[in-house]
Amino acid sequence: GDSVTQMEGPVTLSEEAFLTINCTYTATGYPSLFWYVQYPGEGLQLLLKATKADDKGSNKGFEATYRKETTSFHLEKGSVQVSDSAVYFCALSGGGSEKLVFGKGTKLTVNP
Amino acid sequence: GAVVSQHPSWVICKSGTSVKIECRSLDFQATTMFWYRQFPKQSLMLMATSNEGSKATYEQGVEKDKFLINHASLTLSTLTVTSAHPEDSSFYICSARPAGGRGNQPQHFGDGTRLSIL
Repeated sequence: GDSVTQMEGPVTLSEEAFLTINCTYTATGYPSLFWYVQYPGEGLQLLLKATKADDKGSNKGFEATYRKETTSFHLEKGSVQVSDSAVYFCALSGGGSEKLVFGKGTKLTVNP
Repeated sequence: GAVVSQHPSWVICKSGTSVKIECRSLDFQATTMFWYRQFPKQSLMLMATSNEGSKATYEQGVEKDKFLINHASLTLSTLTVTSAHPEDSSFYICSARPAGGRGNQPQHFGDGTRLSIL
């Protein structure tokens, strides 16, 4: 079945550092790919998405590019802030299913 | 836009009590809503898919009689944890997908309900 593999955390960075969180997937067909963010005690918020190969999703300084050849959707940000501290989930949906398949999540802590 | 409201945000109750959690899409209609359970420091586990006007589709291993789902309108789905016990304590999150449009529309999540059974 479909699956998402996300780099394990936790990740701890200093403010203004560069962030990469790796995400690879296994799916039949052409899934849509998502990054969600969860702040402490809250539900998930959609951060960005990409629906086809070579699409780049971007929001709030975060970016991820849908790479079909490497089945990847790595999340990047050039300069993280303390307020970016959260858990980040990579997810996919596809194959005609409405269901989201999530990675295990990566906890990011940004120190001032 | 695309706001999902979940209520209550936190419930503490005695073992044996039934607890109802509401999930509302505030500014869009949702033919499909999803219920997830999240254990501490873990990912979300899909419990069931709720379709307006029909029975919910439960994931393997989820007890239908334990977790009752009702999706009576295009903006409201409810999850009732019946005769809750301490092992049901968890963070429950709902999501909703806007009706219409293409099938790749994202799900929008509520803020979750933390359920603690004493």
